[in-house]
Amino acid sequence: EIVLTQSPGTLSLSPGERATLSCRASQGLTGKYFSWYQQKPGQAPRLLFYSTSNRATGIPDRFSATGSGTDFTLSISTLEPEDFAVYYCQHYDPSPPTSTFGQGTKVEIK
Amino acid sequence: QVQLQESGPGLVKPSETLSLTCTVSGLPISNYYWGWVRQAPGKGLEWIGYIYDSGDVNYNPSLKSRVTILRDMSKSQLSLRLSPVTDADTAVYYCARAGNGGFPNWGQGTLVSVSS
Repeated sequence: EIVLTQSPGTLSLSPGERATLSCRASQGLTGKYFSWYQQKPGQAPRLLFYSTSNRATGIPDRFSATGSGTDFTLSISTLEPEDFAVYYCQHYDPSPPTSTFGQGTKVEIK
Repeated sequence: QVQLQESGPGLVKPSETLSLTCTVSGLPISNYYWGWVRQAPGKGLEWIGYIYDSGDVNYNPSLKSRVTILRDMSKSQLSLRLSPVTDADTAVYYCARAGNGGFPNWGQGTLVSVSS
């Protein structure tokens, strides 16, 4: 069973700063089925990236994602007020078909 | 565009059955993978299971003995059943379209509380 560990748990930053979020897997992943989500209070999660670095529809280019093996990173180049939210990583393993989420990183206003 | 809408009782008694429906519009459910995800109050996301275009299903091993996911193509609906429930099953339940390993489309979620 793959475990995804996100760090830090909380990131306190100011608008305009850069955010770097980490997701570490307990074993190496291909990255083909690795995704990132943003969730705001009272809302459903929103897909940001799929297949590690493919930006989902409508996601601004201040968001970027990279990674391979066990280490994956979501970056926000310049935080906008609407970016303060909780971010989750997720991996789908096709054999056997299972899905795992990280525990989340909260990006809060400093 | 695709829309998903969860519905069902907001309150279920312990040891009883949680039953939810997800109505999908904008896409034929027979052509896609679909999933259910839940989120306990103040907690993270937990994958519950998938139903594939073939009709096959896969469940989270931690829930497998209690969960059933079905689909009704004539009504464009997915369903989730969880039984028996305990307090730990109190959560917002989401249905979502799956693709490329992720979930690109989500319903707004429905809160189910387990309480006597």
